Amino acid sequence: DADVTQTPRNRITKTGKRIMLECSQTKGHDRMYWYRQDPGLGLRLIYYSFDVKDINKGEISDGYSVSRQAQAKFSLSLESAIPNQTALYFCATSDTGTGEDTQYFGPGTRLTVL
Amino acid sequence: AQKVTQAQTEISVVEKEDVTLDCVYETRDTTYYLFWYKQPPSGELVFLIRRNSFDEQNEISGRYSWNFQKSTSSFNFTITASQVVDSAVYFCALYPYNQGGKLIFGQGTELSVKP
Repeated sequence: DADVTQTPRNRITKTGKRIMLECSQTKGHDRMYWYRQDPGLGLRLIYYSFDVKDINKGEISDGYSVSRQAQAKFSLSLESAIPNQTALYFCATSDTGTGEDTQYFGPGTRLTVL
Repeated sequence: AQKVTQAQTEISVVEKEDVTLDCVYETRDTTYYLFWYKQPPSGELVFLIRRNSFDEQNEISGRYSWNFQKSTSSFNFTITASQVVDSAVYFCALYPYNQGGKLIFGQGTELSVKP
């Protein structure tokens, strides 16, 4: 089984709809992240969480919200989706306990907003 | 400013050629980490290597090698005897230690290895 899973893997929605992307991990890592990938722009950080009670905005948090329901679960919400939020979304985890700070990524969710 | 530049947007080679992917970074931090990730056509991001700013030794892993030079702020990635399976987008990323866990990605280099 994959260590970091994302659901759904693909989603098509309409402008104005609320949508939630979910991320779960079995790695036991304390830190979790949400990124979006757009062609030619690499990955950009949306939100990150160092533990259940610590959530921080990233580079491009406008239009997004997150919830860390448990150490293993971190969800990303688009309250009112718009077409320029069409992108590939990645969840990632890292473990401060090892001191490595390496981020491991989920398989991605491809979101299309019509 | 904290920034990663991968100037090569696309590279195309023929199988068995050697290819080097360039990565130049900017940071004010003295402690930082550098990473390379591979994104094959299937879309997932695969971790390849992590290097900290105090370790300038070159790394070799099979056909992959990495050259870290602080003097030029570069962390280049070479694939020797490239194979079709190496076709992917490769991302270089910077983790400034005092920036709260933020991984800064370059724009990526799309490598196409033709048979």
